[in-house]
Amino acid sequence: EIVLTQSPGTLPLSPGERATLSCRASQSVSSNYLAWYQQKPGQAPRLLIYAASNRAAGIPGKFSGSGSGTDFTLTISRLEPEDFAVYYCQYYGGSLTFGGGTKVEIK
Amino acid sequence: HVQLQESGPGLVKPSETLSLTCTVSGDSISNYYWSWIRQSPGKGLEWLGYIHYSGTINYNPSLKSRVTISLDTSKNQFSLRLSSVTVADTAIYYCAGDKMTGVWYYYWGQGALVTVSS
Repeated sequence: EIVLTQSPGTLPLSPGERATLSCRASQSVSSNYLAWYQQKPGQAPRLLIYAASNRAAGIPGKFSGSGSGTDFTLTISRLEPEDFAVYYCQYYGGSLTFGGGTKVEIK
Repeated sequence: HVQLQESGPGLVKPSETLSLTCTVSGDSISNYYWSWIRQSPGKGLEWLGYIHYSGTINYNPSLKSRVTISLDTSKNQFSLRLSSVTVADTAIYYCAGDKMTGVWYYYWGQGALVTVSS
């Protein structure tokens, strides 16, 4: 079973700063099956990135994904107030698994 | 555009069966992958399983013995049954869908809180 470990658990940043979120898999995985979601309080998750680096429909260009093998990264180029939320990575390898999440909070 | 809405009892007794339905509007339930995903209070996300109208079903191995997901194309709905529930099954249950692969999910319901308590 693939385990996804996200770091840091909490990321305090200021609006306008760049956010770099990490997702590490317990073994090498296919980037074709790696996705990122954003979740705000009281809302369902929102798909941001699929296949590691492809933005989902309607997602602004400030969100980008990269990585391969065991290390994947979600980058938010310049944080805006609406970007402060929890972010999850997710992998499908016969079974869907989620990372524990990174909370991007206002410093 | 596609919209999903969960419905079902908000309170279930321990050892009983949790049942939820997801009603899909805006498109036919065919040609999509449909999943149930839950989130315990203050915790992360856990996938329960998916179904495709072709008959393909895949369950989370850790819950497989208790989970049943089914499709009703005549009503454009799909359903979740989780048997022998305990307090650990208390969570927000989301239904989710995607047209592509079942690997990731673009469409989500708003979520339904189910509490397991006597």
